[in-house]
Amino acid sequence: KAGVTQTPRYLIKTRGQQVTLSCSPISGHRSVSWYQQTPGQGLQFLFEYFSETQRNKGNFPGRFSGRQFSNSRSEMNVSTLELGDSALYLCASKQYGEVYEQYFGPGTRLTVT
Amino acid sequence: QKEVEQNSGPLSVPEGAIASLNCTYSDRGSQSFFWYRQYSGKSPELIMFIYSNGDKEDGRFTAQLNKASQYVSLLIRDSQPSDSATYLCAVKSIYNQGGKLIFGQGTELSVKP
Repeated sequence: KAGVTQTPRYLIKTRGQQVTLSCSPISGHRSVSWYQQTPGQGLQFLFEYFSETQRNKGNFPGRFSGRQFSNSRSEMNVSTLELGDSALYLCASKQYGEVYEQYFGPGTRLTVT
Repeated sequence: QKEVEQNSGPLSVPEGAIASLNCTYSDRGSQSFFWYRQYSGKSPELIMFIYSNGDKEDGRFTAQLNKASQYVSLLIRDSQPSDSATYLCAVKSIYNQGGKLIFGQGTELSVKP
């Protein structure tokens, strides 16, 4: 079974721009979560989507948003990029229900200059 | 106090030894516990999960959970140089719907040949 895929893998943007990252979950997984990983803050939860609805949200500003499509694919968007948004953005998927094991994709490395 | 705490390391062990990685958590509503391995430049890979008090073994890995002491550990027997990575402890709380995980900062493990 194919794993979680994320595109693009690497991205360089300029301050003030916006960016959209994409995630395709493992087949059959309907929950998609997004995390930000930085050397200083570690892995931090951004939000989770299930059945096209945001079910959980972390402590990030409103510049960070996401959505999920009917095929469970998810996108996250960051508007008005700041230097501090430079990070590895990870998507994780899990099955529906009382199954909590999440599997991560390879991540998108975003650099803001 | 951080919600999930790990010693940052590095923890250095000789090849063939037992590596012991520890994690404490503050939320008494924590119900599910995960260990991820992350190689440098890669995304986290799920290696163990545990839901009940006691030990859970999978090959060379053993996860130990003590909810009364709010403590979870990972033992790696017969450590190999290929085990050198950062090990992330993650916790899911009963108070969080869905898949939100809280991660520790990770412990860097170095296995010396």
